[in-house]
Amino acid sequence: EAAVTQSPRNKVAVTGGKVTLSCNQTNNHNNMYWYRQDTGHGLRLIHYSYGAGSTEKGDIPDGYKASRPSQENFSLILELATPSQTSVYFCASGDGGSQDTQYFGPGTRLLVL
Amino acid sequence: GDSVTQTEGQVALSEEDFLTIHCNYSASGYPALFWYVQYPGEGPQFLFRASRDKEKGSSRGFEATYDKGTTSFHLRKASVQESDSAVYYCALGSNYNVLYFGSGTKLTVEP
Repeated sequence: EAAVTQSPRNKVAVTGGKVTLSCNQTNNHNNMYWYRQDTGHGLRLIHYSYGAGSTEKGDIPDGYKASRPSQENFSLILELATPSQTSVYFCASGDGGSQDTQYFGPGTRLLVL
Repeated sequence: GDSVTQTEGQVALSEEDFLTIHCNYSASGYPALFWYVQYPGEGPQFLFRASRDKEKGSSRGFEATYDKGTTSFHLRKASVQESDSAVYYCALGSNYNVLYFGSGTKLTVEP
């Protein structure tokens, strides 16, 4: 019973196309996060949310939008995908506080051609 | 701004070797410090954390001690196993419920 799930797990998109990555959590956590992982850069924060209806910009938000329609769901949207957005994307949830422990999903591998 | 530096990009050891992965941070105050582990094909998993000077965090034989004086949180394990092969991330917690991750260290343990 994975607490953070992501869909799709793999995606091939064309340049200029719209891509939506979805994340669902059953931890009942207030906070959710989107990261991308690239060799040599580790995990970089794209967007995050403190609860339904809220989205905040992370360190690398350009080219990405986020949507948090409910406590459980958090989406990452690439309106006009570019090859530089080829990466592995991870969603995480956390219950907040400066000692916030985050729990990650299995990742989505995105290839933009 | 807040940041974490992991100096080793890759570490190669044999089983029963001693492991040290270095982590240094830059931040004001006493941020929480974390270690995460990522196995191939999976998302990062929380390993342990510490939030006060001299506090030791530990899990699964791994440990690290929060050192405010040297701004460090080095990961150590006395005797590694092949199953410990993974990527290890040090992270720092900010006041905005955000984690700042280091670039990761890939550990390979040969039998």
